[in-house]
Amino acid sequence: QKEVEQNSGPLSVPEGAIASLNCTYSDRGSQSFFWYRQYSGKSPELIMSIYSNGDKEDGRFTAQLNKASQYVSLLIRDSQPSDSATYLCAVSGGYNFNKFYFGSGTKLNVKP
Amino acid sequence: EADIYQTPRYLVIGTGKKITLECSQTMGHDKMYWYQQDPGMELHLIHYSYGVNSTEKGDLSSESTVSRIRTEHFPLTLESARPSHTSQYLCASSGIGELFFGEGSRLTVL
Repeated sequence: QKEVEQNSGPLSVPEGAIASLNCTYSDRGSQSFFWYRQYSGKSPELIMSIYSNGDKEDGRFTAQLNKASQYVSLLIRDSQPSDSATYLCAVSGGYNFNKFYFGSGTKLNVKP
Repeated sequence: EADIYQTPRYLVIGTGKKITLECSQTMGHDKMYWYQQDPGMELHLIHYSYGVNSTEKGDLSSESTVSRIRTEHFPLTLESARPSHTSQYLCASSGIGELFFGEGSRLTVL
């Protein structure tokens, strides 16, 4: 079983719609959760971090964490073509405290 | 936000050459990491360090080696490059929470 699971996509949404990206993790002791955006040929860029249950909003992005269900999600409101990228979910702080575990990423396509 | 620098950004080299990929960060982060990523594929951790004189192998076996003599510096070395080493190498660092990546070094071995 992989530490972090994501649907590889592609997820296609029209411009202006809400994109919903999901992630599950296996280590119940994980404490820190992150979403990265990676454009083709570029390095991952941190867009959201979340540490406690509930929602965290930053501009058009909302991260949601449910530790009981071991589930993290990212909502992108008013999606733009420039949001088209691969989104990586990452988890840390579990049994191997200092390691970051990444999912394989979900490719998002926002169609004009 | 961390400032983390990788050089060279692009390197094309012949088989059998020794290479060193440089990584430096200016934020005083104790934890540093090397990831390998092929185009369109997932990230693989190949080395990490929790501090000076501390290095560990990651989840993906790699013929590369690393050193951590100074907090800010975490170079990766390949003694004898082979075409199978062609990939993107990403350096990252972390303080007390978030992980920040450098821009990457794209290595091509002919």
